[in-house]
Amino acid sequence: DTAVSQTPKYLVTQMGNDKSIKCEQNLGHDTMYWYKQDSKKFLKIMFSYNNKELIINETVPNRFSPKSPDKAHLNLHINSLELGDSAVYFCASSQVGQGAYEQYFGPGTRLTVT
Amino acid sequence: SQQGEEDPQALSIQEGENATMNCSYKTSINNLQWYRQNSGRGLVHLILIRSNEREKHSGRLRVTLDTSKKSSSLLITASRAADTASYFCAPAGAGSYQLTFGKGTKLSVIP
Repeated sequence: DTAVSQTPKYLVTQMGNDKSIKCEQNLGHDTMYWYKQDSKKFLKIMFSYNNKELIINETVPNRFSPKSPDKAHLNLHINSLELGDSAVYFCASSQVGQGAYEQYFGPGTRLTVT
Repeated sequence: SQQGEEDPQALSIQEGENATMNCSYKTSINNLQWYRQNSGRGLVHLILIRSNEREKHSGRLRVTLDTSKKSSSLLITASRAADTASYFCAPAGAGSYQLTFGKGTKLSVIP
């Protein structure tokens, strides 16, 4: 059983398009995250949602909009894609409490913008 | 949130040898976590050590934590080629949901 799943695994698209990446977790966790990993392998948090509410929104362009229809899903929609958006995007989830607990990551979505 | 800094950036060893990688951080923590990332995959949680613990074991992994020096180390004993991956530490402050990852240590285990 896949704990955190993402679709699609690969996404190739042209500049200016709008695309979405979906994420689902079946762990019953309260909190979900989106990370971006660039070509230098630096993993940076973008968003965090706790019980469908946004709790972290790092300095991410507003072309990126997360949407959480329920606490098991956190989708990432990207408008007007740019070359610099090319990266691997990871979804993760965790159960939070006094401090961050271990996070479970999805397999990643490799986005290539041409 | 704070970012851990892993050292060394890259490490290459022969299969069967032990691998040690270190992590330093700057402010007080609730816990510190270690993750592994195989090429092209998501991160996998390895061990969480709480601020009141000094050492923790999991299989061939041993993690130590020295809060006075604000540092942690991850030891992998009897390494295998399958241990080839990048390893990240993530210090977690009290009340913070967020983990911030550094650049990691890239471990190569040569068969």
